[in-house]
Amino acid sequence: AQKVTQAQTEISVVEKEDVTLDCVYETRDTTYYLFWYKQPPSGELVFLIRRNSFDEQNEISGRYSWNFQKSTSSFNFTITASQVVDSAVYFCALNPNYGGATNKLIFGTGTLLAVQP
Amino acid sequence: DVKVTQSSRYLVKRTGEKVFLECVQDMDHENMFWYRQDPGLGLRLIYFSYDVKMKEKGDIPEGYSVSREKKERFSLILESASTNQTSMYLCASSFGGRGYGYTFGSGTRLTVV
Repeated sequence: AQKVTQAQTEISVVEKEDVTLDCVYETRDTTYYLFWYKQPPSGELVFLIRRNSFDEQNEISGRYSWNFQKSTSSFNFTITASQVVDSAVYFCALNPNYGGATNKLIFGTGTLLAVQP
Repeated sequence: DVKVTQSSRYLVKRTGEKVFLECVQDMDHENMFWYRQDPGLGLRLIYFSYDVKMKEKGDIPEGYSVSREKKERFSLILESASTNQTSMYLCASSFGGRGYGYTFGSGTRLTVV
């Protein structure tokens, strides 16, 4: 089965707290891609990061960091020192090998992050 | 600034009407997608197209059809709108081949009354 699970439906934190959004995926493929997208209240999903299955190196971009662990099939996203502008729905997505030219993504159900001032 | 443009931000239609949702991209992308987003269900793929006049069903195609006569435009058609099609509809596009991220439009919030 090809599946993405985001078990946290909603998370509420106070500004400046660190927060981790969990993403667990299932795939039978050995080569695949993983993505994170942010959907602010305006509605448009914004690309945050792409990671291929051969690159397990963690990545940091400013206050954002991603922890990819193939052993646990997880691709977790951490926001350090959260800000109100981080309030959004965050989606994790999987692009398995069967996609071919069609590049289909399988999305999780999303995590709503609310950062309180 | 590259973008995906959806023709309407909000739309209210009556049950039984034929509804057209339009999506245009200016990035010369081969692939285009239509998703619907509902609370607790995430994004569910309705249809996608990997070339002009080519289309494939996604996970929930029932009650919908699509049209792609030009590379830049992908239309979603609700043949006879029903109240259970009230939802947020998101269009996206990407280059062909695996691993390319999607560019999304701002969405159309459709209400069927």
